[in-house]
Order: sequence, then C-alpha cells, then structure tokens
Amino acid sequence: EAGVAQSPRYKIIEKRQSVAFWCNPISGHATLYWYQQILGQGPKLLIQFQNNGVVDDSQLPKDRFSAERLKGVDSTLKIQPAKLEDSAVYLCASSLVATGSTYLYEQYFGPGTRLTVT
Amino acid sequence: AQTVTQSQPEMSVQEAETVTLSCTYDTSESDYYLFWYKQPPSRQMILVIRQEAYKQQNATENRFSVNFQKAAKSFSLKISDSQLGDAAMYFCAYRGGGGADGLTFGKGTHLIIQP
Repeated sequence: EAGVAQSPRYKIIEKRQSVAFWCNPISGHATLYWYQQILGQGPKLLIQFQNNGVVDDSQLPKDRFSAERLKGVDSTLKIQPAKLEDSAVYLCASSLVATGSTYLYEQYFGPGTRLTVT
Repeated sequence: AQTVTQSQPEMSVQEAETVTLSCTYDTSESDYYLFWYKQPPSRQMILVIRQEAYKQQNATENRFSVNFQKAAKSFSLKISDSQLGDAAMYFCAYRGGGGADGLTFGKGTHLIIQP
C-alpha cells in the first residue's frame, strides 16, 4: 500500500513570494490533515478535511494561508505572501475515517515539505 | 483547549538499556486517545504506540510500553533494550474522543542512543 505522498520535499523562497504544497493521501482515506512543524516544536494542526469539506481550520492563518481538497482526494496548501516565520516543515496526514474504531482513524503521515523563507 | 507537555528536551541512554520518556497532558474530556510518535531525521512521523483512555491496561508493543496514569494525566513511554535505530525525536500526542479532532502534540524529546 502506497503511503502519503508530498511534494516538493524542499522549497526555498523569499519573503512576500507565494508557494504551494501538494499532498496525495492514502487511497480511500476520507480525512486529510495539514500540520505545521516549526523547528524545535511539535506539529500544529492547520486544517482538517473530511472528503472535500473543511472540518477544522481554526488555527489556519487565513489572511495568508489557503487550502483546498478538490474531489476529496489530493490537497494543496498555499501561502501568499510568505513571511519569515512561515519557515517550517509542512506535514500532511490522512486517515480512513474520522470516527469509529481507533484503528480506523489512525493518522498516517507523509514525509513533509521543508520550507525556508529568506 | 488540550495541552501536552514533554518536560525532557533530550534524553540519553546506553544501547541495550531502558529509558523512560515523560508526558503529561491537560484535558476536560473523559474519552480520548494518547499516542507516541517517533520522528527520525527523515521527518517521517511513525506511530509507536497508542492508548485508549477508557482502557485501564497499559499498551505494549514489543520493546515499547506505556505507563498510563489517567488520574494524574500522565502518559510515559518506556523503551526496553534500546537499539541504535531508536534514536529519534519522540512526540507525545493527544486526540479527543470524538475522533474527528486532529492531534495535539508536545514539543518532543530528542532520544540519543550511546553505543
């Protein structure tokens, strides 16, 4: 079974530029998460999708961050314009379902995208 | 809001010995789930072990076991017979019982294995 795919693995941009990250979840997984992991900290949830609808985006800085999940499969996270403090690893995770048995909503993580804003 | 605290930024253990990583959490929920994740330099988050709060029995996965103290809101990870491949960042994480929530992570503990 293929895991969660993310691209690119690395990205370097200047502040005020825009950037987009792509995530392809495990086939059949209805729930998709984007996390931001700043160096030296644990990941922080940015947004959660259930199929193509947003379940939780309370910690997403909506003035500069946006995300979409077209057709309930792939997802794109965009930052525009980027700030220095956006330098982080962006992790995508997916789970089969959001409720029910613990084992059904276990989250599987992708390798992440390391963003450096200069 | 739930919080997860890992008070040990770094731990070091000799190969083949046992080490315990600490985690405390704060929540007003009675039904929830706790996890330990391992993150090697490759950045891939790997689930090590999970614990359902309604279960009194501590979870065990091979060399990994937890000490879950619900009243004290404590969830420590014990690694027995430490191996070089265990070296990584370890994150404690919380998930609400509704199941639909994302994970709340601690700041992590960097585990060093001395050969």
